[in-house]
Formats: sequence, C-alpha cells, structure tokens
Amino acid sequence: DTGVSQNPRHKITKRGQNVTFRCDPISEHNRLYWYRQTLGQGPEFLTYFQNEAQLEKSRLLSDRFSAERPKGSFSTLEIQRTEQGDSAMYLCASSLSISNQPQHFGDGTRLSIL
Amino acid sequence: GENVEQHPSTLSVQEGDSAVIKCTYSDSASNYFPWYKQELGKGPQLIIDIRSNVGEKKDQRIAVTLNKTAKHFSLHITETQPEDSAVYFCAVHNAGNMLTFGGGTRLMVKP
Repeated sequence: DTGVSQNPRHKITKRGQNVTFRCDPISEHNRLYWYRQTLGQGPEFLTYFQNEAQLEKSRLLSDRFSAERPKGSFSTLEIQRTEQGDSAMYLCASSLSISNQPQHFGDGTRLSIL
Repeated sequence: GENVEQHPSTLSVQEGDSAVIKCTYSDSASNYFPWYKQELGKGPQLIIDIRSNVGEKKDQRIAVTLNKTAKHFSLHITETQPEDSAVYFCAVHNAGNMLTFGGGTRLMVKP
C-alpha cells in the first residue's frame, strides 16, 4: 500500500531562488491538497485540486506560489522569489471525492531559506 | 471562516494513565472531525475520525466524543504508552473541502 509521496524531503535554498516540490497522491484519490505548517503550529490550507481542476485557493497562496496538477495525478507546488517567511514544512494530502472522506498526508517537504 | 481552538497545548501523563484533549469550533455547519498524530519529522497520521451524525466512536484505546450543540469534540486515550508520545491535532472539515486544524497538543507519556 503506497501512501502519499513527497519529494524532496528537504530543500535548502537562498532567498530569491525558485523552488518546486512534487506530490504523488494515493493512486485512487482524485482530490489533492497542499498545506503549510510552521514550527509549533497546525497545518494551514493552501489549495486543493479535484482531478486536474484547482478548485480552491487560500489567501495564504500569494502570487509567488503556483500549483499544478496537469494530468490529475501528481502535483507540483512552485514558489518563486523565495522569502525568509516561506520557510516551513509543505504538506500534501489526498482523498476520495466522496463527502467527508479522510485526508491522508505525506511526510512533507521541509523548506529552509538562507 | 472556521476557528478551531485546542487545549491543552502540552500534556504530561504517567504511563497507563488516560489523556484527554479538547477542541472547540465555530462553524455549526461543520460535519466531519478527524484527529491526527504527528511524530517528529513526519506528516500528520489520521488516528480516528467522527461524523456529525454520531456522538461517540471508539477504536481500541482511542475514543472521540462530539457535542454538536456545544460545538466541541474530544480525544480520549486510555492506558497510555510511551509510543503515544507525539503532537496531536484536531481538525474540522467544512463545506469548502479544506481542513482547519487546532494548534496541537504535545503529549508526553512518562514511563
């Protein structure tokens, strides 16, 4: 049973650089979510897809952030011109699209901005 | 939007004792309430969930209770073991299909 897979697990980059993270959901799940978690806090919703359609975006998702899910399978989250405040754990989750289904999380990508 | 408050922020118990974590929420339309356990360096792992048409659910040593009228729900862990030590998050699922999380409870089980 393969769960949600995220790559890379860790990313260290200099301020101003662009970074891209990848998420592979559980294969039969057609909903995919991105969350951000800072130290000592609960995860905060960023955006979600149903198949390839991006259906909701949080106000946390500034114009430097873009997410895609081109074929309705894996997703990428890109951050352009990274800032110190972008340092966080970026978590991906997936679920079925039936109402009130559990979201299953990957182990995240930890981003550190130097 | 939804507001989820979680208490306590830290909880220390002796092995074998029970632990209770409480959450309140603001949106009366919310209808699905999962609990997650997060260990260091890992993502949140779903441990139990409850839907609004149910008042209580139990799975071995873990139980969750829901009071929709008062808009609060609780996690109960009995016979705690050192491997239960982790950060626990409550969450609320709303009509927008997103989860809103509480601030987390760091549970420490002392052997």
